Amino acid sequence: DGGITQSPKYLFRKEGQNVTLSCEQNLNHDAMYWYRQDPGQGLRLIYYSQIVNDFQKGDIAEGYSVSREKKESFPLTVTSAQKNPTAFYLCASSISGHNSGNTIYFGEGSWLTVV
Amino acid sequence: KNQVEQSPQSLIILEGKNCTLQCNYTVSPFSNLRWYKQDTGRGPVSLTIMTFSENTKSNGRYTATLDADTKQSSLHITASQLSDSASYICVVTFYNAGNMLTFGGGTRLMVKP
Repeated sequence: DGGITQSPKYLFRKEGQNVTLSCEQNLNHDAMYWYRQDPGQGLRLIYYSQIVNDFQKGDIAEGYSVSREKKESFPLTVTSAQKNPTAFYLCASSISGHNSGNTIYFGEGSWLTVV
Repeated sequence: KNQVEQSPQSLIILEGKNCTLQCNYTVSPFSNLRWYKQDTGRGPVSLTIMTFSENTKSNGRYTATLDADTKQSSLHITASQLSDSASYICVVTFYNAGNMLTFGGGTRLMVKP
């Protein structure tokens, strides 16, 4: 089945640790995104990539890093510099960028908790 | 500042009843307005996408309307089912924000038997 796969579903991070969330899509989409969702708030854009080997910061990129070495993969690393990382993280993709009006497909999300 | 405000924050209705969720946005022009359904702990799923020139878009029992004059969109759910219990998110793509999406905080709908 085509879609977006995020892993792990649940992740616990110790203070000072870096963790990486995986996102893989087999939809042949050029654009991929990472969003953060906090309770009662709208999704906020962390990073996005419109093409392989290129990515741009979103509204809340501080403390996060990404790579886009392959079209189907867009991993997100939550670094120790992110002071409040506990949240629900959503990866998404679309055929092309935001301004195209194309449907944006989301993965099932990853819960990150700091312990 | 681009803002997307949704109301009510939460809503409880009985199975079989209709309901309407509201979305107000502060800035135009925009290129498109989307409605998503998000089950708890899952990723959002697209319901409708409307351009600024469209007034209405349907997807089964879901009908979205758009009034560009009042900067309002509504999502009407007909003959609600228990599976409609979810959060509904309004998303606007504003031209002046580099065409990036701005998300509303969502309306949490609970359908009771």
